[in-house]
Amino acid sequence: DAGITQSPRHKVTETGTPVTLRCHQTENHRYMYWYRQDPGHGLRLIHYSYGVKDTDKGEVSDGYSVSRSKTEDFLLTLESATSSQTSVYFCAISTSPGQSNSPLHFGNGTRLTVT
Amino acid sequence: QQQVKQSPQSLIVQKGGISIINCAYENTAFDYFPWYQQFPGKGPALLIAIRPDVSEKKEGRFTISFNKSAKQFSLHIMDSQPGDSATYFCAAWEGNEKLTFGTGTRLTIIP
Repeated sequence: DAGITQSPRHKVTETGTPVTLRCHQTENHRYMYWYRQDPGHGLRLIHYSYGVKDTDKGEVSDGYSVSRSKTEDFLLTLESATSSQTSVYFCAISTSPGQSNSPLHFGNGTRLTVT
Repeated sequence: QQQVKQSPQSLIVQKGGISIINCAYENTAFDYFPWYQQFPGKGPALLIAIRPDVSEKKEGRFTISFNKSAKQFSLHIMDSQPGDSATYFCAAWEGNEKLTFGTGTRLTIIP
């Protein structure tokens, strides 16, 4: 899927523990995104990056942080996981977002369960 | 506050019928409207997209109709097939950095 690998694919963790999800791309795309998908809410943007070390918040960023030290890797960290963060997390990449010839390409997701 | 409202939440259509999914928005800064298709266990994938200066775009059996004055757009799937069974999301770009999604429609095509 457009050279995007998300890891892990599944994770169960306990409330209060830190969790880091990784997105790795082989496409050298400038833009990278983290979305969460929940029933009744669709996909909601958590954070995105428009270059190495350049990131910005999305609509549901509380409780999440991100880092991008290399073009190919975008990390999403839950500092202290809560049950409300149980979700499916998707990473996406793009070269020129909002352009007809550069759609968002999504990974296959990470299913996170916080008990 | 859902910036892109999508309906219905679920839809069952007979094989060969027309599937119609509707979306509405308020933010006039939205300037590009894609539709994504998602199969179970997979990430969403771009299906078709339209700009607001165009009233209709057709690609094979998939058509987007766009009503700029009403701030509404819809996806029509003609001659719906079992392989079209998936979840469909409308979405809207604001500028070139943020894509906002609708809540999704689970489409089931029955024989």
